[in-house]
Amino acid sequence: GENVEQHPSTLSVQEGDSAVIKCTYSDSASNYFPWYKQELGKGPQLIIDIRSNVGEKKDQRIAVTLNKTAKHFSLHITETQPEDSAVYFCAEGGGSNYKLTFGKGTLLTVNP
Amino acid sequence: GAVVSQHPSRVICKSGTSVKIECRSLDFQATTMFWYRQFPKQSLMLMATSNEGSKATYEQGVEKDKFLINHASLTLSTLTVTSAHPEDSSFYICSAPAAYNEQFFGPGTRLTVL
Repeated sequence: GENVEQHPSTLSVQEGDSAVIKCTYSDSASNYFPWYKQELGKGPQLIIDIRSNVGEKKDQRIAVTLNKTAKHFSLHITETQPEDSAVYFCAEGGGSNYKLTFGKGTLLTVNP
Repeated sequence: GAVVSQHPSRVICKSGTSVKIECRSLDFQATTMFWYRQFPKQSLMLMATSNEGSKATYEQGVEKDKFLINHASLTLSTLTVTSAHPEDSSFYICSAPAAYNEQFFGPGTRLTVL
């Protein structure tokens, strides 16, 4: 991977609303796109990932979409809860060396 | 998901001393592990790739003599910060790929050098 841009850098929503975070990448060889949630003082936690052979994946309130042509992928969180508040990182990879390139992160705040 | 542990979770040391951080994959084997460094409010910066049975691969700008990495077994990698200085204070995190390229992170080690 080479470069991953993530937007927005901060996002504040009301409890129950949806949150969307978007990432773009430049390496056309990338085929693996994970999302991580990091709470303060803890290591990143893998919450969902998608591979290049599918366009969308859902896991309860979380979904990820991938547009390989446009080289962007997005995280969607529905019915947000205060405990969703954290920093979210997108990443891309896919080489045999398992390396990931991370976005700069999005601080999500869910207001009760 | 797979579990990766780190020890210690936090360490405070005096300038000039060396600090060793352990990273273990608890329920899977990892021939490769990664070491990251994270400053406050910043993203993860890959420092090096730890390879079981061979030398680590360092990212550009990371001093290999400063950050010694040993991957002694399929479940253990260690990072030693040698002659630590205050500018080495940071959050160090390891990760390991499990099945299907999914990478799992340890809980991190907070290093403070006085």
